[in-house]
Amino acid sequence: SAVISQKPSRDICQRGTSLTIQCQVDSQVTMMFWYRQQPGQSLTLIATANQGSEATYESGFVIDKFPISRPNLTFSTLTVSNMSPEDSSIYLCSVAQSQGTKNIQYFGAGTRLSVL
Amino acid sequence: GENVEQHPSTLSVQEGDSAVIKCTYSDSASNYFPWYKQELGKGPQLIIDIRSNVGEKKDQRIAVTLNKTAKHFSLHITETQPEDSAVYFCAVTTNSNSGYALNFGKGTSLLVTP
Repeated sequence: SAVISQKPSRDICQRGTSLTIQCQVDSQVTMMFWYRQQPGQSLTLIATANQGSEATYESGFVIDKFPISRPNLTFSTLTVSNMSPEDSSIYLCSVAQSQGTKNIQYFGAGTRLSVL
Repeated sequence: GENVEQHPSTLSVQEGDSAVIKCTYSDSASNYFPWYKQELGKGPQLIIDIRSNVGEKKDQRIAVTLNKTAKHFSLHITETQPEDSAVYFCAVTTNSNSGYALNFGKGTSLLVTP
């Protein structure tokens, strides 16, 4: 399975500032995703990070708020822009790897963000 | 879009007992059903998965059953141990070239008491 490293693991930020989260994978992967997990809640897909093109955002998430970069097949960043306390969440990077006829998703440990 | 319902939201069992968590989904095109375990402070870990062409899959103390007609699938943990205590999420996807995104249930907080 893929080994995914996320940085930072946690941060406390002031409202109005921005934070960039990095996701590094130990092997080349086509599919990378960013999820948000609000406190005590389930995971919600923010966007699919596409290598060489713009990310594909889910309903309710926009590029101006959550810009994503995917410069190569092992790395992606998610920026949380102009933060407010409502952005306090765990942000998770995941990758999909083919195993036979299925694509399995593996997750990083997450970035725990608190916005004051 | 896909709607995934997961029950119960919390479950407390005694060590050695069995635990069952159930999920239902709405999209009949869904064909891949993974279960994730999330321990405190960690990311979700895949523990078992099943494809739509299989009715049951077992891995040691963990099993998953799928009823495609009724659109529900269940996680079964036998001989539970305190280290099984975690939040468990079911997920659903079509796992096709048109989309690999996972739709998650709301999670079940399992507590196994010694």
